[in-house]
Amino acid sequence: DTGVSQNPRHKITKRGQNVTFRCDPISEHNRLYWYRQTLGQGPEFLTYFQNEAQLEKSRLLSDRFSAERPKGSFSTLEIQRTEQGDSAMYLCASSLMALRTTGTQYFGPGTRLLVL
Amino acid sequence: QQQVKQSPQSLIVQKGGIPIINCAYENTAFDYFPWYQQFPGKGPALLIAIRPDVSEKKEGRFTISFNKSAKQFSLHIMDSQPGDSATYFCAARNSGGYQKVTFGTGTKLQVIP
Repeated sequence: DTGVSQNPRHKITKRGQNVTFRCDPISEHNRLYWYRQTLGQGPEFLTYFQNEAQLEKSRLLSDRFSAERPKGSFSTLEIQRTEQGDSAMYLCASSLMALRTTGTQYFGPGTRLLVL
Repeated sequence: QQQVKQSPQSLIVQKGGIPIINCAYENTAFDYFPWYQQFPGKGPALLIAIRPDVSEKKEGRFTISFNKSAKQFSLHIMDSQPGDSATYFCAARNSGGYQKVTFGTGTKLQVIP
């Protein structure tokens, strides 16, 4: 399968714990995005990587959130000291930016986080 | 500030009907308008997309109509089927920078047999 994959698919944690999510983009895609989606809302942008460089972060991304994309391949999103307000679906998307491409973002299945 | 307004919030149609979902935007820097379909517990899947220099695009039973002067676009689903029951998001992408995509708030469509 050549789509975007995310692990784990579900995560339940207690408030104050740290969690880490992984995203594997489509292999030739050079851009990777993280979004957060709460119930009844559209995805909200969190951060973006061009290859291994993190080039943009939303104001939604507090200091407790950190993302990495070592070697420009997979990416991880870590949330430290989780709060109940962090409960959401975390979506990863990837795209290919090159000549004669649309740069369309393709989404993974998401990681649903529940903070108790 | 919500840059992409989507309506209605929910929609119920009978099988074979033509649901229409409308979106409006304000930012003239948007250069690409995708629609995503999302089933419960799944990530959004690209359905169809259009550029502002095109007034209409059809792919199978899905049609986007685009009115650049009014800054409005809509999705029509022809001959809707129960399997089309999902949440639909319109989106708009910035032409510059990292091409940020802004999503509408979604329309939950139910197609009843």
